[in-house]
Amino acid sequence: DIVLTQTPLPLPVTPGEAASISCRSSQSLLHRNGHNYLNWYLQKPGQSPQLLIYLGSNRASGVPDRFSGSGSGTDFTLKISRVEADDFGLYYCMQDLQTPRSFGQGTKLEIK
Amino acid sequence: QVHVVQSGAEVKKPGASVRVSCEASGYRFTDYYIHWVRQAPGQGLEWMGVINPSDGATTYSQEFQDRLTVTSDTATQASYMFLHSLTSADTAIYFCAREPLLYAYGLDFWGQGTLVTVSS
Repeated sequence: DIVLTQTPLPLPVTPGEAASISCRSSQSLLHRNGHNYLNWYLQKPGQSPQLLIYLGSNRASGVPDRFSGSGSGTDFTLKISRVEADDFGLYYCMQDLQTPRSFGQGTKLEIK
Repeated sequence: QVHVVQSGAEVKKPGASVRVSCEASGYRFTDYYIHWVRQAPGQGLEWMGVINPSDGATTYSQEFQDRLTVTSDTATQASYMFLHSLTSADTAIYFCAREPLLYAYGLDFWGQGTLVTVSS
């Protein structure tokens, strides 16, 4: 099974600053079709998770361009260029290369 | 407009079974997988299993292999998650979410979650 490891776990950030979350996979998530099967989700308090990034670097519909995903193979990064108040919550990476699907432990983006 | 609506909260005793429903509307039901994910109190997301509503094929996490059943009904555009032999460790919020069959575009619509509490 694929294990995803996120760092850091708590990430204190001042609104307006940039933030970066890392997700490392125990196996390459690069499909033979050239796409990386890694997604990012944000779960705000008391809400369901929402899709931010799919296939490693594609923003989902309605996601602001201050969010960006990068990386390939086993190392991926989610960056927020300027954190806003609405961005605080739990961020998860998830692989959809194979079943069982797996999530990272979650990174809590919190106000510094 | 896409909607994914789950059934209401449940309280069960240890050893019992629970059924959670997930009703979809606003899209072709058979064009998307339905995944089931749970979240224990204060914990992260845990993938449980998935169903392909077009043919009923399922895949489950090994952790739930013996006591999880996921079904779908194309007539009512609903998926059902049955978890048996409940223990207190199964107390969690259970989510369903859809994913396109043909493209790995992520779980793009999620239900609101269903709280299942297991207590004697």
